[in-house]
Amino acid sequence: DSGVTQTPKHLITATGQRVTLRCSPRSGDLSVYWYQQSLDQGLQFLIQYYNGEERAKGNILERFSAQQFPDLHSELNLSSLELGDSALYFCASSPRVGEQYFGPGTRLTVT
Amino acid sequence: SQKIEQNSEALNIQEGKTATLTCNYTNYSPAYLQWYRQDPGRGPVFLLLIRENEKEKRKERLKVTFDTTLKQSLFHITASQPADSATYLCALDNSGYALNFGKGTSLLVTP
Repeated sequence: DSGVTQTPKHLITATGQRVTLRCSPRSGDLSVYWYQQSLDQGLQFLIQYYNGEERAKGNILERFSAQQFPDLHSELNLSSLELGDSALYFCASSPRVGEQYFGPGTRLTVT
Repeated sequence: SQKIEQNSEALNIQEGKTATLTCNYTNYSPAYLQWYRQDPGRGPVFLLLIRENEKEKRKERLKVTFDTTLKQSLFHITASQPADSATYLCALDNSGYALNFGKGTSLLVTP
């Protein structure tokens, strides 16, 4: 158990819909990262927050957004969902540059 | 463009032997390189970090080498066990923030 929690575990929704994925980092970790993992693309970095502020952006679509709240939990919002957005979404938190601790993931299925 | 390449073919070895996995990269000047283990449907688990000025690092049965001239890291598991069967991911830092991951190599250790 990494100490990072993610909800929900599974999500099934239809194309065009909007969903919110939630992540609680390990106690004391200020950095939160979001990754998307699909079979063909591997693990892709989406976005990072540090203590409530956006720190770095990766391959995140404009339809996706995230935020980190004062209690350090983070949410990833995915809108206008397409079939290709079906993937595992992981959140990770980090105590320092280098090590990252991943949550169990949310499996999103868009039908 | 930046690339991280890991052998896409699964590695099958017999219990007790040493497994060696390769990670090659191009167009990176990483400050460090990491190895993660991922089991199906679960989040990656951090194993080892090696910095650019370190040639080799060990942790129990694991050994990582890092050759910045060859732009290559080797990951060894000695005295391998069936429980070591998993996908192993190589990751490089992205300007000190998030990580870029290779697609991973699947290892199967048979009794």
